[in-house]
Amino acid sequence: DGGITQSPKYLFRKEGQNVTLSCEQNLNHDAMYWYRQDPGQGLRLIYYSQIVNDFQKGDIAEGYSVSREKKESFPLTVTSAQKNPTAFYLCASRDRVDSPLHFGNGTRLTVT
Amino acid sequence: EDQVTQSPEALRLQEGESSSLNCSYTVSGLRGLFWYRQDPGKGPEFLFTLYSAGEEKEKERLKATLTKKESFLHITAPKPEDSATYLCAVQATGSNYKLTFGKGTLLTVNP
Repeated sequence: DGGITQSPKYLFRKEGQNVTLSCEQNLNHDAMYWYRQDPGQGLRLIYYSQIVNDFQKGDIAEGYSVSREKKESFPLTVTSAQKNPTAFYLCASRDRVDSPLHFGNGTRLTVT
Repeated sequence: EDQVTQSPEALRLQEGESSSLNCSYTVSGLRGLFWYRQDPGKGPEFLFTLYSAGEEKEKERLKATLTKKESFLHITAPKPEDSATYLCAVQATGSNYKLTFGKGTLLTVNP
């Protein structure tokens, strides 16, 4: 079955450490996205990529970095510069500019 | 700036008690409005896309409608398995990438 795989499901890190969240899709979609979800808030866009080797900052990119070396993969690194990294992170993809986003099942990151 | 407001924040229904969720939006021009269902600890699951005022989409007990200012998600004779958070998102014309999401409505259906 086609879909988006995010790993791990839960991730625990100490403050000051960088951590990388994995996102892989086999839907053959060009565009991929990273969102952050916090209780009581709507999904907020961190980064997006419309094509391999190209990506743009979203609304809350500070403290995060991404790469897009392959069409299937869009990893997100949460750096020590991110002030409030504890959150639920969602990866998504889409095939056309007006088609719906397909989401993975998320990674819950806890930083202590 | 695009804005999406969902109401109510939470809704508790008895099984079989029909109701509606609201999504009010402000965009310069609407390219598409999306409804998602999200279960706890999971990613959002796509339900419907609406593109123009007057459009309606149905799926089982759910029906989505769209006007120029808002969208409704009507739930007819809900069952406990319909319990979830329902998210609304809009994409503006002129935007090839950005969806603006509302905060969601948490629906609980009691047996």
